[in-house]
Parts: sequence; structure tokens; C-alpha cells
Amino acid sequence: DAGVIQSPRHEVTEMGQEVTLRCKPISGHDYLFWYRQTMMRGLELLIYFNNNVPIDDSGMPEDRFSAKMPNASFSTLKIQPSEPRDSAVYFCASSFRVEAFFGQGTRLTVV
Amino acid sequence: AQTVTQSQPEMSVQEAETVTLSCTYDTSESDYYLFWYKQPPSRQMILVIRQEAYKQQNATENRFSVNFQKAAKSFSLKISDSQLGDAAMYFCAYRSAYNNNDMRFGAGTRLTVKP
Repeated sequence: DAGVIQSPRHEVTEMGQEVTLRCKPISGHDYLFWYRQTMMRGLELLIYFNNNVPIDDSGMPEDRFSAKMPNASFSTLKIQPSEPRDSAVYFCASSFRVEAFFGQGTRLTVV
Repeated sequence: AQTVTQSQPEMSVQEAETVTLSCTYDTSESDYYLFWYKQPPSRQMILVIRQEAYKQQNATENRFSVNFQKAAKSFSLKISDSQLGDAAMYFCAYRSAYNNNDMRFGAGTRLTVKP
């Protein structure tokens, strides 16, 4: 298996634009997590899914953030409109019950 | 909600020496998993070691071992014979063993290995 695949690896966008981050989890995994990593706040859990169903989105910072998982092999995290303070590395991770496996992350820069 | 605390923002070790990274957690649950992840400059999160709470024996993976103290809610990572490639951020993580469980991370410890 290729592991968790995230795209794009890097994204630079202007304030106010819509940003969509994508994730393909490892086949057979039933959990999918979205994390945001910044120097100030470390690794924050934004939302996670179990069997494609959102379980807890209490970490989503604002209504500007939304996440979907239309099927077991794909998830998106969307920010609309984006702001400079959204600049961070966004990780997707998947797991089957125990340990989580991470993608390589998307470095988002909002200018 | 469970919290994970890493009280050492930075640690340094001489190559070939041993270093211990600290982690404590807060939970009311009896069954859970604990992990150490490594994040090198490439930013890839790599699982180093995991411990099941129901196991009394401390987990070991080559030069990496843990000291799991369930009553004290402590989970430290020992790296023996440190190598330059061990330099990275190390994150402690907690995950409940019950259904619909998320994974929470500590703030991380930056480990520097001196040649």
C-alpha cells in the first residue's frame, strides 16, 4: 500500500480564496483524522471520521472550515474564505483501531 | 477530554549516549493506547513505539524503549545509543481503546543529537 496520500504537498493562496486539501487513506482503514500543525499550537485535531461518518468536529476552528468523506477512499478539508492565520501544515491520518498512519502533510500558506 | 503533556520542549544528547523523553497524560479510562511518534525535518510523522495499557511489560523496539507507569499516568521514551538520525521532534500520543476514539498529541519535544 502506498500509505496515506495527501495533495497538494504545498499550497500558496491569496486571502479570501477557497482552499481544498485532499486525502486518500490507507485501504481498509476505518478512521480518518485531520490535524493542523503550527508552531504556536502544536498538533491540533480538527475532525475525525469513523466509517465515513464525522464523529467529532469540535476542533474545527470556525465555520470557514468544513470536511467531507464521501467514501472510504477520499476525504477533503475545505477552507472558505482562507485567511493568513490559517497558514499551517495540515495532516491527514488513517487508522484501523490502534495506531494512526500519517500522510506527508500539506503546507498551506495564505498571503 | 484526555490531555497529554510533554514538559520538555527541548532535549539534547551526545551521540551514542542515552536520553529519556517524558510524557504524562490525564484520563479516567482504564483501557487505552499510548504512542511515541517521531517527526524529522522532512515533517513525516513516523510511529516509533506503542504501548497497550493492559500490558504490564514495557514495549521495546530496538534502541527505543518505554517506561510505562499506569498508576502515575506516565509514559517516557528512552533512546539508547543515540544516533544523529534520531534528531527530530518527538510526540507522545494517547488513544482510547473504546469506540469512536480520537488520538490526542502532546506539544512535542525537540531532540538534538550532538556528534
